[in-house]
Amino acid sequence: QVHLEESGGGVVQPGTSLRVSCVASGFTVNRYTMSWVRQAPGKGPELVAVILYDESKKFYADSVKDRFTISRDISQNTVFLHMTSLRTEDTAVYYCVRDREEGYASGVTAYWGQGTLVIVSS
Amino acid sequence: EIAVTQSPAALSVSPGDRASLSCRASQSVGNYFAWFQQKPGQPPRLLIYSASTRATGVPARFSGSGSGTEFTLTISSLQSEDFAVYYCQQYKMWPTFGQGTKVDMK
Repeated sequence: QVHLEESGGGVVQPGTSLRVSCVASGFTVNRYTMSWVRQAPGKGPELVAVILYDESKKFYADSVKDRFTISRDISQNTVFLHMTSLRTEDTAVYYCVRDREEGYASGVTAYWGQGTLVIVSS
Repeated sequence: EIAVTQSPAALSVSPGDRASLSCRASQSVGNYFAWFQQKPGQPPRLLIYSASTRATGVPARFSGSGSGTEFTLTISSLQSEDFAVYYCQQYKMWPTFGQGTKVDMK
């Protein structure tokens, strides 16, 4: 059974850094494309970062490019999102998401964790 | 970036009624289109992908249609557990979501 558990959220000041983690179970992260999707209060979801199943490429939304980095640790079956130069507009619930297809980036965000809340405030 | 616009923003429906939700993409996305359901305090749940394919475990009362720029999610007979916010998403290019349609009880 697919399970994604995020952690690491919290309240931070603008300009600081934070790393959120996603521990996966029921599958191995090196066989699936993984993403981070965030959702600000009362807003629709927004895809922020993608790491392909073979780690050949990583993609970022323009809003976070050069500030956020997605990575993974196969030994821990974990995906990370390292966020730097945080802004108040980065405040959101951050969800770890798995693609529907193994070994292929279908674009279908089929499995979602419960999310971790990041609040950027002075 | 492809923009996705949902309508209406809110829909009041009685249990047992049929509900139709619409989305429009700013350019053609073929059938690279999905629908999600979200309840308070929960993550979005995938309902439909490839415009009309139900995800695993999704009841048959949910159906998706459309292609190109116009898409519809239909709930044939609304059940109490279907009151929620629904989002649509295109994934032809960098995936983008709509702003949601809230379905509540009339």
